[in-house]
Amino acid sequence: AQKVTQAQTEISVVEKEDVTLDCVYETRDTTYYLFWYKQPPSGELVFLIRRNSFDEQNEISGRYSWNFQKSTSSFNFTITASQVVDSAVYFCALISNYGGSQGNLIFGKGTKLSVKP
Amino acid sequence: NAGVMQNPRHLVRRRGQEARLRCSPMKGHSHVYWYRQLPEEGLKFMVYLQKENIIDESGMPKERFSAEFPKEGPSILRIQQVVRGDSAAYFCASSPPWTGAEETQYFGPGTRLLVL
Repeated sequence: AQKVTQAQTEISVVEKEDVTLDCVYETRDTTYYLFWYKQPPSGELVFLIRRNSFDEQNEISGRYSWNFQKSTSSFNFTITASQVVDSAVYFCALISNYGGSQGNLIFGKGTKLSVKP
Repeated sequence: NAGVMQNPRHLVRRRGQEARLRCSPMKGHSHVYWYRQLPEEGLKFMVYLQKENIIDESGMPKERFSAEFPKEGPSILRIQQVVRGDSAAYFCASSPPWTGAEETQYFGPGTRLLVL
């Protein structure tokens, strides 16, 4: 079965703190893709990053960084020096070619991040 | 390059009416996906379409829901005889043609459906 678990339902931090959002996934496929999306209070879904299962290099983009570890089936997301504008719900998602299916993004339930000034 | 367009952004229907949600993919994208976000739940896949073809509708409720992506025009998600439980945010996403690797799905702003 394919599954994405975001154990942290809500996180609250004070501005400038670092915060890590956890994501653990399950899949039987050896080829799969992992994503993070951001849903700000306005409601739209914003793509942040895509990672394939063959690329375990960590990635940094400004204050955002991602740690992909196949050994623990995790794809964690860290925001450094958080800002109020980072307040949003963050979704981790998985897609794989298991069973030949395409297109079916499996989402975690999301982590609501509140950054207070 | 315009993003994924969805309209209407908000839709109010009374029980028993029909709801039609529209989605125009990004330019150059030929794959469209519909997801539903129920209150207090994550996003759930509903259906995956290419032009004039339904590729995967494993997430669609068996009754009252249908989707199409005609050769010309936007993709339409149609809900007949809406009930209160259909109240949710419906998101459309699009991606480029599949090239052997899963492509990123880019989402529209969503349609918030409220059934009274």
